[in-house]
Amino acid sequence: GENVEQHPSTLSVQEGDSAVIKCTYSDSASNYFPWYKQELGKRPQLIIDIRSNVGEKKDQRIAVTLNKTAKHFSLHITETQPEDSAVYFCAASNQGNTPLVFGKGTRLSVIA
Amino acid sequence: GAVVSQHPSRVICKSGTSVKIECRSLDFQATTMFWYRQFPKKSLMLMATSNEGSKATYEQGVEKDKFLINHASLTLSTLTVTSAHPEDSSFYICSARSPGGEAFFGQGTRLTVV
Repeated sequence: GENVEQHPSTLSVQEGDSAVIKCTYSDSASNYFPWYKQELGKRPQLIIDIRSNVGEKKDQRIAVTLNKTAKHFSLHITETQPEDSAVYFCAASNQGNTPLVFGKGTRLSVIA
Repeated sequence: GAVVSQHPSRVICKSGTSVKIECRSLDFQATTMFWYRQFPKKSLMLMATSNEGSKATYEQGVEKDKFLINHASLTLSTLTVTSAHPEDSSFYICSARSPGGEAFFGQGTRLTVV
């Protein structure tokens, strides 16, 4: 089955700097790669996703890149703000009705 | 508004009792729903896949007789934690994938067994 590795587990950045979180996956059949932000006690919130037919996607300060050959994808947050502080999870799955497999999470702290 | 609704959001129960958690898909029919468990400061771990009209599929190490799943309609899946013990205390979250592939999550249920 799919295995998703995520690094780093914790990340501290100064406000205004960029943050990068990286994930690798094992199943070459996976083709959907979402990123979630989770605040304490809340459900995961989708912040961006990418499918295997594109290599990069951007939404304002957030971007995701995908390298299918190397089986890794990354989340980039630019101009970080204190409200970006949260736990971020990457995930991978096939299309259709298959479950997401999550990475272990990255606790991001943005220091004002 | 919420696409997937989960209830209750919090429950405290005594050891040995059972707790039922409901997960409803509000905007689309979900033949499949997923149940995850999340311990403090950990990731979401898949417990089981709930299949409408058939038996659930459980992940390795998850006791099917302890975590009963029923998916009687295209919009409702229930998870019943039977004979709950303190080690079952956790955050339980359900999920369903839309026809477009995006995964939507319920609000989660914080279960505390005392």
